Amino acid sequence: EVQLVESGGSLVQPGGSLKLSCVASGYTFSNYWMDWVRQTPGKSLEWIGEINTDGSKTNYAPSIKDRFTISRDNAKSTLYLQMSNVKSDDTAIYYCTSLGGDYWGQGVMVTVSS
Amino acid sequence: DIQMTQSPSLLSASVGDRVTLSCKASQSIYNSLTWYQQKLGEAPKLLIYDANSLQTGIPSRFSGSGSGTDYTLTISNLQPEDVATYFCQKYYSGSTFGSGTKLEIK
Repeated sequence: EVQLVESGGSLVQPGGSLKLSCVASGYTFSNYWMDWVRQTPGKSLEWIGEINTDGSKTNYAPSIKDRFTISRDNAKSTLYLQMSNVKSDDTAIYYCTSLGGDYWGQGVMVTVSS
Repeated sequence: DIQMTQSPSLLSASVGDRVTLSCKASQSIYNSLTWYQQKLGEAPKLLIYDANSLQTGIPSRFSGSGSGTDYTLTISNLQPEDVATYFCQKYYSGSTFGSGTKLEIK
């Protein structure tokens, strides 16, 4: 059974940093691109970015503006999202997705507030 | 950036109805479109990929169509369990989601 489990969400102050993790199981993690998507309370989904199979290529949404970094460790079947200089607008549920959007994690809440 | 516009934002229909949800791109996305269903408190669920391919396990009352800039998700014989918000997502030249259509039962 394919599972994606995010962790690392918390309350963080504006300007702070946070690193989210997504552990994959039930399939060959290293064979698939991975994405991060977020959803603000009551609002739409926003694509954050993606990473290729070996971690050598990443693409980001223009709105992220170099504040977030996606990486992966195939040996650990783990995807990461490093968030820096966070703002109140970054408050959202963060999801990792795989296999072309067919599988999603349960989501992790990030709250940016002083 | 390619923008995705969904309409209507809210749709109310009766059980058994055929409903049509629209998703328009600001320029051609060459059928690089996915439709998702999201129920309250859950992660999105993939329904349609490549604009018109039904994902395995999804009921055949769901169908996707369109090309170029205009795409449609059709639900025939609407069921109570179809109450959800539906999002389109383009994955040509980066990825963007539409703002969603909330589907209710009358």
